[in-house]
Amino acid sequence: DAGVIQSPRHEVTEMGQEVTLRCKPISGHNSLFWYRQTMMRGLELLIYFNNNVPIDDSGMPEDRFSAKMPNASFSTLKIQPSEPRDSAVYFCASSKRTGLPAPGANVLTFGAGSRLTVL
Amino acid sequence: QKEVEQNSGPLSVPEGAIASLNCTYSDRGSQSFFWYRQYSGKSPELIMFIYSNGDKEDGRFTAQLNKASQYVSLLIRDSQPSDSATYLCAAANAGKSTFGDGTTLTVKP
Repeated sequence: DAGVIQSPRHEVTEMGQEVTLRCKPISGHNSLFWYRQTMMRGLELLIYFNNNVPIDDSGMPEDRFSAKMPNASFSTLKIQPSEPRDSAVYFCASSKRTGLPAPGANVLTFGAGSRLTVL
Repeated sequence: QKEVEQNSGPLSVPEGAIASLNCTYSDRGSQSFFWYRQYSGKSPELIMFIYSNGDKEDGRFTAQLNKASQYVSLLIRDSQPSDSATYLCAAANAGKSTFGDGTTLTVKP
């Protein structure tokens, strides 16, 4: 398995531009998560999907952020317009979600991350 | 108060010593608990998970869970320089994981 695949790995853009981050989860995983990591705020959950349906988007900071999961093998996180304070590493992670604890259940596998710099 | 709190660190131990990492959580609905390791510039990777009270051992790593105290810990025995990394504690409720800020561990040769 190729793991969780994210693109681009690095993105440098100017304030006001649209940014689209992409993620391909592990085949067979039914949950997908978008996290943002900064030195100041640590690893924050932005949004997560279960079976392609957004379940909790309470971590999305503003309306400038949107996420979609049109099918089980693809998700996007879009920032429009981007601002310098959006600079961070954005991680996509997937898991096999179950309702009850079980070995291996709900373990997150992270992608390599997309490092975003907004000038 | 954050939902998951960890020792602020950094933590430095000599090679061969035991490193002890601690974590508390506030959501009593949390059912599963995870320790992830993150090397600088890399993504987090799972070390261990635990969901029953008590100890769970895997090689040099032991995770401990006390749900009454809402406390999770990770012990690393015979610490090696390659264990130098940031360790993230996570608590999961209904499949959603919330992370602490991490504790940075340095193992000195």
